[in-house]
Amino acid sequence: EAQVTQNPRYLITVTGKKLTVTCSQNMNHEYMSWYRQDPGLGLRQIYYSMNVEVTDKGDVPEGYKVSRKEKRNFPLILESPSPNQTSLYFCASSLSWSRSYNEQFFGPGTRLTVL
Amino acid sequence: DQQVKQNSPSLSVQEGRISILNCDYTNSMFDYFLWYKKYPAEGPTFLISISSIKDKNEDGRFTVFLNKSAKHLSLHIVPSQPGDSAVYFCAAKETSGSRLTFGEGTQLTVNP
Repeated sequence: EAQVTQNPRYLITVTGKKLTVTCSQNMNHEYMSWYRQDPGLGLRQIYYSMNVEVTDKGDVPEGYKVSRKEKRNFPLILESPSPNQTSLYFCASSLSWSRSYNEQFFGPGTRLTVL
Repeated sequence: DQQVKQNSPSLSVQEGRISILNCDYTNSMFDYFLWYKKYPAEGPTFLISISSIKDKNEDGRFTVFLNKSAKHLSLHIVPSQPGDSAVYFCAAKETSGSRLTFGEGTQLTVNP
């Protein structure tokens, strides 16, 4: 089954404790992206990757890191989480980034709480 | 700077009637627009899209209208069904851009 998976689905942590949220897709997609969803703000892009070893900042990259060493995986790293990073996070992927392939497939989300 | 705005946080309609969800944008470089639907505890799923060279696109019960001069798009759902109850996000992409910009979302509730 074609899908985007994220782990963990739920995480409660404390300020300053490094964490990684994994994202994996099995569709051989080139483009991958991370979003956070907050009430009243919709979905805001954190980082994106056009292909392996190619990443770039989105609208709200502060406090986050990413890497794209393999095509299928795009982990989101919070080196020192803070309470303002409490949010619902989505990973997404699409075949490529062109006029023809704008549809992004989303993972089920990761609910992160930073105390 | 919210370049894509959905001014109605919520909308409630009766089953069988039309649902109209609205979206406004400010960036004149946007040339492709998408609607996503999101159920609780799930990721958003793609619903329908429209290119700026068109002013209308239909897919079954769903129709998206684009008014470029007004920088406005709308999603019509006819007839509305209880299973359509979800949060709907509109999103936009620039001609040479590398990412989607999303609106805040509208919670649609279709009452039986």
